[in-house]
Amino acid sequence: DVKVTQSSRYLVKRTGEKVFLECVQDMDHENMFWYRQDPGLGLRLIYFSYDVKMKEKGDIPEGYSVSREKKERFSLILESASTNQTSMYLCASSLTGGEKTQYFGPGTRLLVL
Amino acid sequence: GIQVEQSPPDLILQEGANSTLRCNFSDSVNNLQWFHQNPWGQLINLFYIPSGTKQNGRLSATTVATERYSLLYISSSQTTDSGVYFCAVERIYNQGGKLIFGQGTELSVKP
Repeated sequence: DVKVTQSSRYLVKRTGEKVFLECVQDMDHENMFWYRQDPGLGLRLIYFSYDVKMKEKGDIPEGYSVSREKKERFSLILESASTNQTSMYLCASSLTGGEKTQYFGPGTRLLVL
Repeated sequence: GIQVEQSPPDLILQEGANSTLRCNFSDSVNNLQWFHQNPWGQLINLFYIPSGTKQNGRLSATTVATERYSLLYISSSQTTDSGVYFCAVERIYNQGGKLIFGQGTELSVKP
């Protein structure tokens, strides 16, 4: 079974703090994704990566950066957390070719005070 | 960009009832997935179905790519089926596997 894990289920941070969210997948997938989910706005793509050290902006990249130094790990960084970044953050991974099923991690609920 | 519309937005069922959820999309796609989000927020992949029909137990899905819609059937519903069902698509010729999600159908199954 594909497994995608995220470093924390719940996280509370203060405004201005630097926040790291980590995601690890164990199926040798090329693609990895970070989404955020907010009531009424659905799931929105923040960043994705199709290879090590490669990254592409999604629909809402402002205020975020990412890092992919190893194939299995994709990190989302909030350089200076703000209250409007309080949200559910979901990581996913998939293959590039063939059946490109995206598999999701359990999510991280981030509260920025 | 591609639009993904799901209907109905909300659905309440008695245990044992059947239901059909619909997903319309506005452009040709090469990837379509159905997900179930449980009450704890976990998104579970149900089907990868860019075209054709698949079945998995009480669930089945059909995508008619030429008419740009997909249907998810739930038969003999159980309380554990409650949650939000999402349809997500990847536009054809897109790179990188980016999915666009619909707004979801919130299903509540009553005992």
